[in-house]
Amino acid sequence: GQNIDQPTEMTATEGAIVQINCTYQTSGFNGLFWYQQHAGEAPTFLSYNVLDGLEEKGRFSSFLSRSKGYSYLLLKELQMKDSASYLCAVRDRGGATNKLIFGTGTLLAVQP
Amino acid sequence: DSGVTQTPKHLITATGQRVTLRCSPRSGDLSVYWYQQSLDQGLQFLIQYYNGEERAKGNILERFSAQQFPDLHSELNLSSLELGDSALYFCASSVGGGGPHGYTFGSGTRLTVV
Repeated sequence: GQNIDQPTEMTATEGAIVQINCTYQTSGFNGLFWYQQHAGEAPTFLSYNVLDGLEEKGRFSSFLSRSKGYSYLLLKELQMKDSASYLCAVRDRGGATNKLIFGTGTLLAVQP
Repeated sequence: DSGVTQTPKHLITATGQRVTLRCSPRSGDLSVYWYQQSLDQGLQFLIQYYNGEERAKGNILERFSAQQFPDLHSELNLSSLELGDSALYFCASSVGGGGPHGYTFGSGTRLTVV
């Protein structure tokens, strides 16, 4: 089966650091993605991990442990505009497809 | 503008009706994916096309069908609509496997069934 778990909601304070966790169990694995989605808008790409370790990109970092089926997204120096849903997605590796399987997302509220 | 164009942006229709959602992928992208996002739900994979051929099917109802045309645009047809079909429908595209950037999403079609 395929299962991707993330917390439903999180709250953090402007200027702080927040870590959003994601655990997954999928039949195939060919990379893990994090997307940001503001309400009613299209998801936008944040980060990609295919090997174990930390990938850093500005205020955003993402970590992957394939053996543990675990990833996290770290957001630093939080800004009000970071209030959004954060979607964890695993790229399936099976047959001829490369589809992304998404978790239900974590709604992050940044407070002043 | 992501380069992926979806029309219409909004659609309101009655139960039992049929609608067609259209997607034009980003220039050069051969793969098109359709996703459904209901209220408080994650993105549910419906179907993938690559260069005109179906590559994968997800949780797509039999009342739904899709195709990708020679010019690579894609259409998602939803028939015998029910209230529960009300959702945001996203189209995404990628060159092939998507590489390190995954997909590029369109802005979506919000379907309301009344």
